[in-house]
Amino acid sequence: KQEVTQIPAALSVPEGENLVLNCSFTDSAIYNLQWFRQDPGKGLTSLLLIQSSQREQTSGRLNASLDKSSGRSTLYIAASQPGDSATYLCAVYGQNFVFGPGTRLSVLP
Amino acid sequence: GAGVSQSPSNKVTEKGKDVELRCDPISGHTALYWYRQSLGQGLEFLIYFQGNSAPDKSGLPSDRFSAERTGGSVSTLTIQRTQQEDSAVYLCASSTQSTANTEAFFGQGTRLTVV
Repeated sequence: KQEVTQIPAALSVPEGENLVLNCSFTDSAIYNLQWFRQDPGKGLTSLLLIQSSQREQTSGRLNASLDKSSGRSTLYIAASQPGDSATYLCAVYGQNFVFGPGTRLSVLP
Repeated sequence: GAGVSQSPSNKVTEKGKDVELRCDPISGHTALYWYRQSLGQGLEFLIYFQGNSAPDKSGLPSDRFSAERTGGSVSTLTIQRTQQEDSAVYLCASSTQSTANTEAFFGQGTRLTVV
């Protein structure tokens, strides 16, 4: 059974810092990995999708990497802003989407 | 439509009543998923529909929960004899089924409160 974990559970940083969120999964037989953002009381917004054959994807200040063999992905956020404050979730897709518990990020002005 | 649409956005119901939650997926998406998110918790998988295949119901927590998808499009999640522990945000997602490019798009969710 696929299990997904995320570290840290919560993170508070001052504005402008670069930061890394971590995602680990137990079964490397995945088709892709997706990073989402969730604002309080809202649904999930897709940020990046990395196919299993890819090593990384970039969108603006976000860069996500995937090491399928070791069961790890990282989300790098450059020059963080208060508007980045949200919960970040990773999900792996095999037969279904399995989600991690999320990292709650607070960027302080 | 342009995105996944869920209704109602909020629902307050009395314990013991039945409720129906609706999901309109993105047009052309063959896969549809229901998840539940309790306060401060992660996403709990409930059920998955793919085309005309039998749905994967392995995540439904009890026989009070059921879901159907009519015509391969709109889905309804029904909770019978609601309990207070059913209070949560119910999220629906849809996707294409192209394996490596399969990307989930979520609705805004239905916040269910059982009083």
